[in-house]
Amino acid sequence: GDSVTQMEGPVTLSEEAFLTINCTYTATGYPSLFWYVQYPGEGLQLLLKATKADDKGSNKGFEATYRKETTSFHLEKGSVQVSDSAVYFCALTGSVDNFNKFYFGSGTKLNVKP
Amino acid sequence: DTGVSQDPRHKITKRGQNVTFRCDPISEHNRLYWYRQTLGQGPEFLTYFQNEAQLEKSRLLSDRFSAERPKGSFSTLEIQRTEQGDSAMYLCASSLGGAAGTEAFFGQGTRLTVV
Repeated sequence: GDSVTQMEGPVTLSEEAFLTINCTYTATGYPSLFWYVQYPGEGLQLLLKATKADDKGSNKGFEATYRKETTSFHLEKGSVQVSDSAVYFCALTGSVDNFNKFYFGSGTKLNVKP
Repeated sequence: DTGVSQDPRHKITKRGQNVTFRCDPISEHNRLYWYRQTLGQGPEFLTYFQNEAQLEKSRLLSDRFSAERPKGSFSTLEIQRTEQGDSAMYLCASSLGGAAGTEAFFGQGTRLTVV
């Protein structure tokens, strides 16, 4: 079956630091990859996505590149802000096992200190 | 576009009682999903609908759980004879399904506490 593995948190950074949150996946087929963000007490919001190998998704200063050779979709941001503090989820859909539904990793909590 | 709305936002119930949650998806979206999220974990798939048809159910969805989407619009998720292990956030999402890479839009969730 599919798997999505994220680095364990929490990740604690100072404001303006560089962020990387690792995500690797195992899936059969040609999944699309997503990053969702969840603020306390809220649902999930789409941050960015990529639908095929070598695609780069970007939004609000965040970026992630779909790397088929390393089965990875690492999230990066050059300079984090306190307002980026949240839980980040890597997810996939469109694989053989999860063709019509989304499969999520366990999430990585980010704390940004002023 | 008012987004996906869920009602209620919070529900506290006694063990053994039945509860029902409602989800109103984005109006033109034909797919509707239910997920469950426990503390510190990612959302786990429960079931999804394409229009009014329930096309897939997870093994997590025991016989005590039932979901409906009459007329392909809003959806309800009912849990009968609740147990403490049912305490979780129940998330609804919708999408305009079909094309590869179509994202799902999530509601704010219903937090269930079984005491």
